[in-house]
Amino acid sequence: NAGVMQNPRHLVRRRGQEARLRCSPMKGHSHVYWYRQLPEEGLKFMVYLQKENIIDESGMPKERFSAEFPKEGPSILRIQQVVRGDSAAYFCASSPTSGTGAYGYTFGSGTRLTVV
Amino acid sequence: KQEVTQIPAALSVPEGENLVLNCSFTDSAIYNLQWFRQDPGKGLTSLLLIQSSQREQTSGRLNASLDKSSGRSTLYIAASQPGDSATYLCAVPNRDDKIIFGKGTRLHILP
Repeated sequence: NAGVMQNPRHLVRRRGQEARLRCSPMKGHSHVYWYRQLPEEGLKFMVYLQKENIIDESGMPKERFSAEFPKEGPSILRIQQVVRGDSAAYFCASSPTSGTGAYGYTFGSGTRLTVV
Repeated sequence: KQEVTQIPAALSVPEGENLVLNCSFTDSAIYNLQWFRQDPGKGLTSLLLIQSSQREQTSGRLNASLDKSSGRSTLYIAASQPGDSATYLCAVPNRDDKIIFGKGTRLHILP
């Protein structure tokens, strides 16, 4: 079991470009969570998805950010028209059940986005 | 609204000492609590998961306790080693299934 796979590990984008971050959950996990970690700050919830459904996107900015978790393939976090303030580490976690279950969460190694 | 606080924010201790990291949460209606470790520039590694029905969990030199009624958890590290230097994060799922993290304790073990 390869764990939660995120790619790319590092991503550099110029202001105004699009960033696509990918997350493949652990095998058998159907719940995916995205978090953002700004330098010297804690992890902030962005969005919670199950296959083909967005369950909670209350932590995601309403403009420029979107997320999906299709029936086939990885979950994608998409940031359009990136700005310098989007520079952060983006982490994905997966779980076989919701957070109220017995399994906890497994995190990926993150994607470090730098906007220049 | 669930809030998670970790004390201290940073800690430096000589190698070999036992130490305790603290985590408190405001909503005691939690289903579980998870401790993670994060090395600089790296992802999160799960250390221990405690279910709400449990009082403690142990893994090697690590022991985590949970007191739901008082809203507290502690992570005990025995015989600390330089390799234990990292940031330790406490996390609980809230009623909406979001994981709420504390800001972490940055631990530095002095050789």
